[in-house]
Amino acid sequence: SQKIEQNSEALNIQEGKTATLTCNYTNYSPAYLQWYRQDPGRGPVFLLLIRENEKEKRKERLKVTFDTTLKQSLFHITASQPADSATYLCALPAGNTGKLIFGQGTTLQVKP
Amino acid sequence: NAGVTQTPKFQVLKTGQSMTLQCAQDMNHNSMYWYRQDPGMGLRLIYYSASEGTTDKGEVPNGYNVSRLNKREFSLRLESAAPSQTSVYFCASSETLGGMGQPQHFGDGTRLSIL
Repeated sequence: SQKIEQNSEALNIQEGKTATLTCNYTNYSPAYLQWYRQDPGRGPVFLLLIRENEKEKRKERLKVTFDTTLKQSLFHITASQPADSATYLCALPAGNTGKLIFGQGTTLQVKP
Repeated sequence: NAGVTQTPKFQVLKTGQSMTLQCAQDMNHNSMYWYRQDPGMGLRLIYYSASEGTTDKGEVPNGYNVSRLNKREFSLRLESAAPSQTSVYFCASSETLGGMGQPQHFGDGTRLSIL
C-alpha cells in the first residue's frame, strides 16, 4: 500500500538558517506532491504544489524539490524566522482517485 | 471571506451519545472532505463528497455518517460515540476532486472528547 514518511522528530534550528524537511514515499509514483503548514489549534494551510515533471518549485523563501527516482521531496525554508515555527505536512494523491494521503508532519521550531 | 467554517469548535460527549459536526464553505467548491487527526497518525480521511448529491467512504468510515446538505454544507454524524472517536475533526473543500492537484482548504477543526 502507499506509504508516506516524514520525520516525526521535531526540527530545531536557529533563526536565519535554512530548514530542510523531508517527505519520503513508497509503493507508487504520484503525479504531484503538496506541502501544507499547520499551526497549533488551526487547520492545515496549502503552501506549494510540485508536479512529477518539475524538479524544483520556489515561492518567496520556500523551495520544494521532487526526486521521483529517490521517491522523495525536500522542503526548504531559507533565512528562517521564529514565525516559520509550525508543523509541515506533505500530501500525495491516492492513485487516480483525486483524494490525498497526508504524512504525519514534521514540527519545525525556529529559535531567535 | 470565511473559507471553511466548522461548528462547534469544542465538544465533550459521553459514550453512546450522538452528535453532528457542521461544516460550511463559501468558496463555491464542488468537493468536500472530513478528516480526523490523531497524534502520530496524521490526517485520515473519513468520508468525502466529490460533488453535491454524492458521498463516499474514505479510509476510516466506521462509526460515522455524512450528509451533503447542499453545495455549501457537509455534515458528519456520530450516531453512538465511542472513546476511540476522541480526536480533532477537520473539514476541507476543494474546487473539484483534485485530479490536477488542486489544494484543499481546511477549517480550524472541532476538538471532540468522548468520555
